[in-house]
Amino acid sequence: NAGVTQTPKFQVLKTGQSMTLQCAQDMNHEYMSWYRQDPGMGLRLIHYSVGAGITDQGEVPNGYNVSRSTTEDFPLRLLSAAPSQTSVYFCASSYSLDNYGYTFGSGTRLTVV
Amino acid sequence: AQTVTQSQPEMSVQEAETVTLSCTYDTSESDYYLFWYKQPPSRQMILVIRQEAYKQQNATENRFSVNFQKAAKSFSLKISDSQLGDAAMYFCAYRSAYGGANSKLTFGKGITLSVRP
Repeated sequence: NAGVTQTPKFQVLKTGQSMTLQCAQDMNHEYMSWYRQDPGMGLRLIHYSVGAGITDQGEVPNGYNVSRSTTEDFPLRLLSAAPSQTSVYFCASSYSLDNYGYTFGSGTRLTVV
Repeated sequence: AQTVTQSQPEMSVQEAETVTLSCTYDTSESDYYLFWYKQPPSRQMILVIRQEAYKQQNATENRFSVNFQKAAKSFSLKISDSQLGDAAMYFCAYRSAYGGANSKLTFGKGITLSVRP
């Protein structure tokens, strides 16, 4: 099925560990982004990409790294996990000039202990 | 920078009744899109309805409609004939129409809607 695939769905990390959240889309969308969702905070933009090889910071980029080597993939790396990074993470994609909203992945619930 | 404000954290509605969820936004742009997303307990983000700023006519999707007041920068969602399946968190969101790096979606903090049987 076409859409945005996020893995894993759940993850528990220890403080200081690193990991990569995977995101892939098969709709040839040039725009991809990562959000984190925290209670009472809505969804906040971490990083985004307007095309392969181009990434930029969003509202809350500290502690996260991204790269975009292909149109399809946009992984999010946690360099050294902290309890403050406990959250639900969403990957989303769209055409950049599309007047529709994004297509969202199903989210990753990450707990850092 | 654009901001989206949802001032009511929670609302409740009786099944079959009508409820309106409020949203205001701030922008200096003249062309943009506004969205309402639904997030049920499954966590999936579902697009409910969208509005293009240059269109004066309010968008409607079945039981869902919006009241878009561009001058007031207000974008409320009306749910008619509420159903138990409408219980969810609802997010209002803004997106610039100018594309590229402006394509980011800015969300409000969300409102939790409960439906009483």
